Amino acid sequence: DAGVIQSPRHEVTEMGQEVTLRCKPISGHNSLFWYRQTMMRGLELLIYFNNNVPIDDSGMPEDRFSAKMPNASFSTLKIQPSEPRDSAVYFCASTANYGYTFGSGTRLTVV
Amino acid sequence: EDQVTQSPEALRLQEGESSSLNCSYTVSGLRGLFWYRQDPGKGPEFLFTLYSAGEEKEKERLKATLTKKESFLHITAPKPEDSATYLCAVQERYGGSQGNLIFGKGTKLSVKP
Repeated sequence: DAGVIQSPRHEVTEMGQEVTLRCKPISGHNSLFWYRQTMMRGLELLIYFNNNVPIDDSGMPEDRFSAKMPNASFSTLKIQPSEPRDSAVYFCASTANYGYTFGSGTRLTVV
Repeated sequence: EDQVTQSPEALRLQEGESSSLNCSYTVSGLRGLFWYRQDPGKGPEFLFTLYSAGEEKEKERLKATLTKKESFLHITAPKPEDSATYLCAVQERYGGSQGNLIFGKGTKLSVKP
Protein backbone atom coordinates (compact mmCIF):
# COMPACT_ATOMS: atom_id res chain seq x y z
CA ASP A 1 0.00 0.00 0.00
CA ALA A 2 1.62 3.26 -1.15
CA GLY A 3 -0.51 5.40 1.16
CA VAL A 4 -2.12 8.68 0.14
CA ILE A 5 -0.17 10.17 -2.75
CA GLN A 6 -0.06 13.91 -3.35
CA SER A 7 1.56 15.85 -6.16
CA PRO A 8 3.43 18.03 -6.58
CA ARG A 9 5.40 18.10 -3.30
CA HIS A 10 6.36 21.72 -3.84
CA GLU A 11 4.81 24.39 -6.01
CA VAL A 12 6.01 27.95 -6.49
CA THR A 13 3.80 30.16 -8.62
CA GLU A 14 3.19 33.78 -9.35
CA MET A 15 0.17 35.63 -8.06
CA GLY A 16 -2.74 35.34 -10.46
CA GLN A 17 -1.74 31.97 -11.85
CA GLU A 18 -3.86 28.83 -11.65
CA VAL A 19 -2.65 26.08 -9.33
CA THR A 20 -3.85 22.46 -9.31
CA LEU A 21 -3.03 20.08 -6.50
CA ARG A 22 -3.60 16.36 -6.92
CA CYS A 23 -4.40 13.49 -4.59
CA LYS A 24 -4.71 9.73 -4.93
CA PRO A 25 -6.38 8.22 -1.85
CA ILE A 26 -5.82 4.75 -0.48
CA SER A 27 -7.72 2.13 -2.45
CA GLY A 28 -10.93 1.17 -0.65
CA HIS A 29 -11.17 4.35 1.40
CA ASN A 30 -14.53 6.00 0.79
CA SER A 31 -13.91 9.45 2.30
CA LEU A 32 -11.38 12.03 1.17
CA PHE A 33 -10.45 15.30 2.89
CA TRP A 34 -8.50 18.39 1.83
CA TYR A 35 -6.83 20.31 4.68
CA ARG A 36 -4.68 23.44 4.72
CA GLN A 37 -1.97 23.96 7.36
CA THR A 38 -0.45 27.29 8.36
CA MET A 39 1.52 28.37 11.41
CA MET A 40 -1.20 30.79 12.47
CA ARG A 41 -4.30 28.64 12.01
CA GLY A 42 -3.01 25.07 12.16
CA LEU A 43 -4.86 22.39 10.18
CA GLU A 44 -8.15 23.54 8.70
CA LEU A 45 -10.61 21.49 6.69
CA LEU A 46 -11.34 22.88 3.25
CA ILE A 47 -13.69 20.24 1.84
CA TYR A 48 -14.47 16.57 2.16
CA PHE A 49 -15.99 13.94 -0.09
CA ASN A 50 -17.84 10.76 0.77
CA ASN A 51 -18.14 8.20 -2.03
CA ASN A 52 -16.89 10.88 -4.48
CA VAL A 53 -19.68 13.32 -3.49
CA PRO A 54 -18.79 16.65 -1.82
CA ILE A 55 -20.35 16.62 1.67
CA ASP A 56 -19.04 19.78 3.31
CA ASP A 57 -17.27 22.61 1.49
CA SER A 58 -17.87 25.28 4.13
CA GLY A 59 -14.14 25.55 4.72
CA MET A 60 -13.35 26.58 1.16
CA PRO A 61 -12.23 30.17 1.70
CA GLU A 62 -13.45 31.75 -1.52
CA ASP A 63 -14.81 31.05 -4.97
CA ARG A 64 -11.22 30.99 -6.15
CA PHE A 65 -10.99 27.52 -4.60
CA SER A 66 -12.64 24.51 -6.19
CA ALA A 67 -12.31 20.75 -5.70
CA LYS A 68 -13.36 17.74 -7.69
CA MET A 69 -13.39 14.00 -7.23
CA PRO A 70 -14.22 12.46 -10.60
CA ASN A 71 -13.67 8.91 -9.35
CA ALA A 72 -12.70 6.97 -6.24
CA SER A 73 -8.98 7.13 -6.99
CA PHE A 74 -8.38 10.78 -7.79
CA SER A 75 -9.14 14.27 -6.51
CA THR A 76 -7.97 17.77 -7.38
CA LEU A 77 -7.92 21.07 -5.54
CA LYS A 78 -7.69 24.09 -7.81
CA ILE A 79 -6.95 27.71 -6.94
CA GLN A 80 -7.66 30.27 -9.64
CA PRO A 81 -6.38 32.95 -9.42
CA SER A 82 -3.81 32.29 -6.71
CA GLU A 83 -2.84 34.95 -4.14
CA PRO A 84 0.14 35.23 -1.75
CA ARG A 85 -2.15 34.52 1.24
CA ASP A 86 -2.86 31.08 -0.22
CA SER A 87 0.71 30.07 0.63
CA ALA A 88 0.47 27.06 2.95
CA VAL A 89 0.88 23.29 3.06
CA TYR A 90 -2.12 21.49 1.62
CA PHE A 91 -2.83 17.97 2.82
CA CYS A 92 -5.09 15.30 1.46
CA ALA A 93 -6.33 12.53 3.76
CA SER A 94 -8.51 9.48 3.26
CA THR A 95 -10.33 7.07 5.53
CA ALA A 96 -12.58 4.06 5.58
CA ASN A 97 -14.12 5.25 8.88
CA TYR A 98 -11.10 4.63 11.11
CA GLY A 99 -7.68 6.26 11.41
CA TYR A 100 -7.46 8.96 8.78
CA THR A 101 -4.30 8.61 6.66
CA PHE A 102 -2.62 11.77 5.44
CA GLY A 103 -0.45 12.33 2.42
CA SER A 104 2.90 14.11 2.61
CA GLY A 105 1.36 17.41 1.52
CA THR A 106 1.99 20.02 -1.13
CA ARG A 107 3.89 23.10 -0.03
CA LEU A 108 2.47 26.00 -2.04
CA THR A 109 4.26 29.31 -2.29
CA VAL A 110 2.57 32.15 -4.18
CA VAL A 111 4.90 35.07 -4.92
CA GLU B 1 -14.35 29.86 19.55
CA ASP B 2 -11.66 27.19 19.72
CA GLN B 3 -13.10 23.71 20.01
CA VAL B 4 -9.75 22.01 20.54
CA THR B 5 -7.01 23.61 22.63
CA GLN B 6 -3.61 22.03 23.16
CA SER B 7 -1.05 22.94 25.81
CA PRO B 8 1.73 23.69 26.09
CA GLU B 9 2.51 25.06 22.62
CA ALA B 10 6.10 23.85 22.99
CA LEU B 11 7.81 21.51 25.43
CA ARG B 12 11.50 20.82 25.89
CA LEU B 13 12.50 17.70 27.78
CA GLN B 14 15.73 15.95 28.62
CA GLU B 15 15.99 12.35 27.50
CA GLY B 16 14.27 10.21 30.13
CA GLU B 17 12.26 13.09 31.60
CA SER B 18 8.60 12.01 31.55
CA SER B 19 5.80 14.52 30.96
CA SER B 20 2.26 14.97 29.63
CA LEU B 21 0.63 16.94 26.84
CA ASN B 22 -2.91 18.24 27.24
CA CYS B 23 -5.81 18.50 24.82
CA SER B 24 -9.03 20.11 26.01
CA TYR B 25 -12.11 20.07 23.80
CA THR B 26 -15.60 21.49 23.54
CA VAL B 27 -18.06 19.59 21.37
CA SER B 28 -21.75 18.82 21.64
CA GLY B 29 -21.09 15.11 21.42
CA LEU B 30 -17.81 13.30 20.97
CA ARG B 31 -17.59 10.59 18.36
CA GLY B 32 -13.84 10.13 18.78
CA LEU B 33 -10.64 11.87 19.84
CA PHE B 34 -7.53 11.32 17.77
CA TRP B 35 -3.83 11.80 18.44
CA TYR B 36 -1.38 12.29 15.58
CA ARG B 37 2.36 12.79 15.37
CA GLN B 38 3.78 15.14 12.72
CA ASP B 39 7.44 15.30 11.74
CA PRO B 40 8.80 18.31 9.82
CA GLY B 41 7.95 18.18 6.12
CA LYS B 42 5.57 15.25 6.54
CA GLY B 43 1.88 14.65 6.97
CA PRO B 44 0.33 13.77 10.33
CA GLU B 45 0.79 10.13 11.32
CA PHE B 46 -2.02 8.39 13.19
CA LEU B 47 -1.28 7.30 16.78
CA PHE B 48 -4.50 6.63 18.71
CA THR B 49 -8.27 6.96 18.72
CA LEU B 50 -10.21 7.21 22.00
CA TYR B 51 -13.98 6.94 22.08
CA SER B 52 -15.21 7.22 25.66
CA ALA B 53 -14.20 8.72 29.00
CA GLY B 54 -11.94 6.43 30.96
CA GLU B 55 -10.46 4.80 27.89
CA GLU B 56 -6.67 4.45 27.67
CA LYS B 57 -4.38 3.32 24.86
CA GLU B 58 -0.64 2.70 24.80
CA LYS B 59 2.05 2.47 22.16
CA GLU B 60 5.68 2.13 23.19
CA ARG B 61 6.49 5.17 25.39
CA LEU B 62 3.15 6.87 24.71
CA LYS B 63 -0.11 6.51 26.61
CA ALA B 64 -3.28 8.43 25.78
CA THR B 65 -6.14 8.93 28.23
CA LEU B 66 -9.56 10.53 27.87
CA THR B 67 -12.01 12.31 30.18
CA LYS B 68 -15.24 14.11 29.32
CA LYS B 69 -13.41 17.40 28.73
CA GLU B 70 -9.80 16.59 27.93
CA SER B 71 -7.23 14.08 26.83
CA PHE B 72 -3.65 13.59 27.95
CA LEU B 73 -0.76 12.14 26.04
CA HIS B 74 1.74 10.83 28.56
CA ILE B 75 5.32 10.33 27.40
CA THR B 76 7.39 8.03 29.61
CA ALA B 77 11.19 8.23 29.47
CA PRO B 78 11.23 10.00 26.10
CA LYS B 79 14.03 9.62 23.58
CA PRO B 80 15.28 12.17 21.02
CA GLU B 81 13.38 10.31 18.29
CA ASP B 82 10.12 11.23 20.04
CA SER B 83 10.73 14.86 19.04
CA ALA B 84 7.83 15.96 16.82
CA THR B 85 4.65 17.98 16.87
CA TYR B 86 1.76 16.12 18.48
CA LEU B 87 -1.70 16.98 17.21
CA CYS B 88 -5.03 16.30 18.85
CA ALA B 89 -8.29 16.20 16.88
CA VAL B 90 -11.94 15.56 17.68
CA GLN B 91 -14.73 14.18 15.57
CA GLU B 92 -18.21 15.34 16.50
CA ARG B 93 -21.09 12.95 16.90
CA TYR B 94 -23.75 15.45 15.81
CA GLY B 95 -24.04 18.17 13.22
CA GLY B 96 -23.47 18.35 9.52
CA SER B 97 -19.78 17.57 9.43
CA GLN B 98 -19.68 14.26 11.18
CA GLY B 99 -16.77 13.06 9.09
CA ASN B 100 -14.55 16.03 9.80
CA LEU B 101 -11.65 16.08 12.25
CA ILE B 102 -11.23 19.39 14.11
CA PHE B 103 -7.57 19.85 14.99
CA GLY B 104 -5.79 21.70 17.74
CA LYS B 105 -2.68 23.70 16.88
CA GLY B 106 -0.38 21.08 18.33
CA THR B 107 2.40 20.76 20.90
CA LYS B 108 5.95 20.85 19.58
CA LEU B 109 8.03 18.43 21.63
CA SER B 110 11.82 18.55 21.68
CA VAL B 111 13.77 15.85 23.52
CA LYS B 112 17.44 16.58 24.12
CA PRO B 113 19.98 13.79 24.66
